[in-house]
Amino acid sequence: DAGVIQSPRHEVTEMGQEVTLRCKPISGHDYLFWYRQTMMRGLELLIYFNNNVPIDDSGMPEDRFSAKMPNASFSTLKIQPSEPRDSAVYFCASSPGRNTEAFFGQGTRLTVV
Amino acid sequence: SQKIEQNSEALNIQEGKTATLTCNYTNYSPAYLQWYRQDPGRGPVFLLLIRENEKEKRKERLKVTFDTTLKQSLFHITASQPADSATYLCALDEGTSYGKLTFGQGTILTVHP
Repeated sequence: DAGVIQSPRHEVTEMGQEVTLRCKPISGHDYLFWYRQTMMRGLELLIYFNNNVPIDDSGMPEDRFSAKMPNASFSTLKIQPSEPRDSAVYFCASSPGRNTEAFFGQGTRLTVV
Repeated sequence: SQKIEQNSEALNIQEGKTATLTCNYTNYSPAYLQWYRQDPGRGPVFLLLIRENEKEKRKERLKVTFDTTLKQSLFHITASQPADSATYLCALDEGTSYGKLTFGQGTILTVHP
């Protein structure tokens, strides 16, 4: 398996535009996590799914953020409209089950200007 | 409020010495605790997992302890090498939230030759 695949690796967009980040988890993994990492706040959990169902979205900053997992092999994180303070590295991770390690993607570096 | 604190933002040691990193938590009852390594520009990589009923876990030059009374985990790297220089993150589940994995801010370790 190629690991967790995220796209794009880098995204630069203008304030107000819609941004969609994509993630392909490792096949067979039941959990999928979306994290955001900044120097100030570290690695923050935004939302996580179990068997494609969102379990906890309490970390999603506000209504501008939404996440979907239409099937076991694909998830998206959407920001609409984007703002400069959304600039960060966004990581997707998957794990085969509870009490097991999480495998991270390479991240998407988002810059909103 | 819930909090995960890692002892310091940065730790500098000489090659060959033992590095000891600390992870303290409050208002959590984790079933397990994990340690990850993160290199610049990359996603975190899993190192070790320790369960609440385990006192100590070892893997090569790495050792983790878990004290649920003190609400603390210690992460040791013995015979440290410059290649061990990275950011180290602790993560724990929240016990009551099924599968939710939350990270500390991380400690930047630099091993000087």
